[in-house]
Amino acid sequence: ETGVTQTPRHLVMGMTNKKSLKCEQHLGHNAMYWYKQSAKKPLELMFVYSLEERVENNSVPSRFSPECPNSSHLFLHLHTLQPEDSALYLCASSQGQGREQYFGPGTRLTVT
Amino acid sequence: DQQVKQNSPSLSVQEGRISILNCDYTNSMFDYFLWYKKYPAEGPTFLISISSIKDKNEDGRFTVFLNKSAKHLSLHIVPSQPGDSAVYFCAATISNDYKLSFGAGTTVTVRA
Repeated sequence: ETGVTQTPRHLVMGMTNKKSLKCEQHLGHNAMYWYKQSAKKPLELMFVYSLEERVENNSVPSRFSPECPNSSHLFLHLHTLQPEDSALYLCASSQGQGREQYFGPGTRLTVT
Repeated sequence: DQQVKQNSPSLSVQEGRISILNCDYTNSMFDYFLWYKKYPAEGPTFLISISSIKDKNEDGRFTVFLNKSAKHLSLHIVPSQPGDSAVYFCAATISNDYKLSFGAGTTVTVRA
């Protein structure tokens, strides 16, 4: 595997379900990110982890819970989501701040 | 408040001609700028970047121009090819920050 991988690629879940999104980066980077992309909107930064510590949380509802067990893996735990949470969720990684971020293919999430 | 704006939602260009994509920003603290390309059902792919100490950066068919006084940057693609048909995102950041601020994207269609 190379680059940034995400699983699953597609996910349909009910509002009462609990699911997790997984991201893995094979680039040796020290920072990882979760973004949300809704239709017709710019990418929204959700969470940033640097060296496995959360450094930014952009007012994301608590029904989204991130976890970074090591510098290569990032999870987004989902519970009691709303239909408006349906979006493309993208993971990214970078080496430090203020530089290029490399994105995974995303998970298309549909909340029914 | 969106700090990076791409005011043209779409651009159609003939194969072999030049594509010019524009981006404006409002935050004078931004000192690093990036362009990403995105195909449907894939994550954004990093294309080219430019530091605020430069006014031009070239990589093959792609050239980015930065006009700091106007807070404006542009991406030139020449010659345009059918594979360039995608959504292009402009992004900006500050060198000591993890956050990338993205524009809403411009959809480029290259006509044969």
